[in-house]
Amino acid sequence: EVQLVESGGGLVKPGGSLRLSCAASGFTLSSYGMNWVRQAPGKGLEWVSCISNSGYHTFYADSVKGRFTISRDTATNSLYLQINTLRPGDAAVYYCARSTGSTGWYPYDHWGQGTLVTVSA
Amino acid sequence: QSVLTQPPSVSAAPGQKVTISCSGSSSNIGDNYVSWYQQLPGTAPKLLIYENNKQASGIPDRFSGSKSGTSATLGITGLQTGDEADYYCATWDNSLSAGVFGGGTKLAVL
Repeated sequence: EVQLVESGGGLVKPGGSLRLSCAASGFTLSSYGMNWVRQAPGKGLEWVSCISNSGYHTFYADSVKGRFTISRDTATNSLYLQINTLRPGDAAVYYCARSTGSTGWYPYDHWGQGTLVTVSA
Repeated sequence: QSVLTQPPSVSAAPGQKVTISCSGSSSNIGDNYVSWYQQLPGTAPKLLIYENNKQASGIPDRFSGSKSGTSATLGITGLQTGDEADYYCATWDNSLSAGVFGGGTKLAVL
């Protein structure tokens, strides 16, 4: 059974940093593209970033480019999102989602339960 | 402002049919497959439709999808109160080199 479990969210001051994790089971990250999608309170879904199954290709939304870094560890089958220079607009539930294919171009067939990031002084 | 445009809300009576539109451009919907997601209150999104018109695993055929040019449509027939949720379209945008979602449509089954 495919499972995605996010962790690492919390309360952070503006300008601070955070690393989100997503533990994957039931499949191997080296076979699928992986994504981070976020949802601000009461708002819609916003795609944030993806990494290819090879790990060589990464893509980012303009709103996070230069501040967020997606990565993965195939040894632990975990996906990460390093978030730097946090802004109030980054406050959201962050979901990791698996693509059905090798990159984020493909749809997202499995989602985690999300981890909440709150940005406040 | 989302790259893909959806109506904020739609409503219909139980048993009726509803459609939700998703409008984009040549760099996204016009050149890539569209997928649709259902998000029930307080839960993570769930894949409903992929590659414009294919039902995801376990999704009943009451849910259908179509695409024409730079627009896509989600159709739901035989509406049930359990269908009340937010629905999102999504695709890849070649110009942005990024995934994009619609703003979401809240479905009310009255």
